[in-house]
Amino acid sequence: SQQGEEDPQALSIQEGENATMNCSYKTSINNLQWYRQNSGRGLVHLILIRSNEREKHSGRLRVTLDTSKKSSSLLITASRAADTASYFCATDAKAAGNKLTFGGGTRVLVKP
Amino acid sequence: GAGVSQTPSNKVTEKGKYVELRCDPISGHTALYWYRQSLGQGPEFLIYFQGTGAADDSGLPNDRFFAVRPEGSVSTLKIQRTERGDSAVYLCASSLRTSDEQFFGPGTRLTVL
Repeated sequence: SQQGEEDPQALSIQEGENATMNCSYKTSINNLQWYRQNSGRGLVHLILIRSNEREKHSGRLRVTLDTSKKSSSLLITASRAADTASYFCATDAKAAGNKLTFGGGTRVLVKP
Repeated sequence: GAGVSQTPSNKVTEKGKYVELRCDPISGHTALYWYRQSLGQGPEFLIYFQGTGAADDSGLPNDRFFAVRPEGSVSTLKIQRTERGDSAVYLCASSLRTSDEQFFGPGTRLTVL
């Protein structure tokens, strides 16, 4: 079973628009990580946010974490065609050791 | 230095054969993880090593799957008597310490005919 669930499953936007995707999870976590994947191969690490953090930024990416709601969001500002990819959240759950549990991903299409 | 590397990038085998998939983690990373990803899904955990020992192998689907990391660096995932359902992309990741960022390799796409 998957701890994290992304929403929406797919997203189509125009270049320059912002893209927001959400992740919900079920159990207490040590941290939550967001990844990008192109063409079903290697995952690129985007941001790690720890359970005691509420918001992190990296370039055009902004991640929030609400542990009371067990949810996180990833915002991509001023999207580019190169941002087209699948985005996954993954949780490092306290009760699950140090393995990551991934959601099913959000497929983002940025149209030029 | 270099990122996580995996070999081969693609492996096609016949049902019933034995395969080995190799992972070379980032130098100095003590934790190494194997995941499996089927088409259209997120990766699923298989096994995790801290140093040479398997700290958690709860994700291995059955006893046909086995992994080793004899010197605490390179790891090999071994699959015996492969089945068509084993077809997937096998991903390896490493992290400097547990609960740090996990950095993934490009994966090995296994196809069992």
